[in-house]
Amino acid sequence: DTAVSQTPKYLVTQMGNDKSIKCEQNLGHDTMYWYKQDSKKFLKIMFSYNNKELIINETVPNRFSPKSPDKAHLNLHINSLELGDSAVYFCASSQLQGIGTEAFFGQGTRLTVV
Amino acid sequence: RKEVEQDPGPFNVPEGATVAFNCTYSNSASQSFFWYRQDCRKEPKLLMSVYSSGNEDGRFTAQLNRASQYISLLIRDSKLSDSATYLCVVNTGFQKLVFGTGTRLLVSP
Repeated sequence: DTAVSQTPKYLVTQMGNDKSIKCEQNLGHDTMYWYKQDSKKFLKIMFSYNNKELIINETVPNRFSPKSPDKAHLNLHINSLELGDSAVYFCASSQLQGIGTEAFFGQGTRLTVV
Repeated sequence: RKEVEQDPGPFNVPEGATVAFNCTYSNSASQSFFWYRQDCRKEPKLLMSVYSSGNEDGRFTAQLNRASQYISLLIRDSKLSDSATYLCVVNTGFQKLVFGTGTRLLVSP
């Protein structure tokens, strides 16, 4: 059983298109995240949701819109894709309460915009 | 100043060597600390949490110095399989896990 699963694993698309990445966790966690890892391998937080509510939006362009229909799902929709959006996008979940616990990551979605 | 800073390396060491990585963080209110490991083209996975008293897991020892806002990871008796990128991670509060840029380790025969 995969704890955090995201689809698709690979996504190649043209500039200007709109695409979505889906994420689901079966760990019962309250908190979910989207991270972006660029070509320099730097892993940067984009969004954090706690119980379907947006907690963190790290100055991500409006073209990126996360949606959490329930606490087990956090999807990422991207409008008008740009070349600079090419990266690996990781979904993660955790049960952060004060001291903090482990975050589990999905396998990543490798997005290539051409 | 970056929230979490690490030396990107790479650190090239022979098998059996001891290697240490350091990490500094800027937010003194940070609540918890971790080391993650990321293999090439894979997702990050927790290596160990870091406690104020220091903690050890086999060949790995993690230390936290809150006064200096400094975290370290020591790997003894390096194995080829230890080759990976090691990410320093800080929970700065409000469900925010901030990752360092990672330190790449290459262990050679």
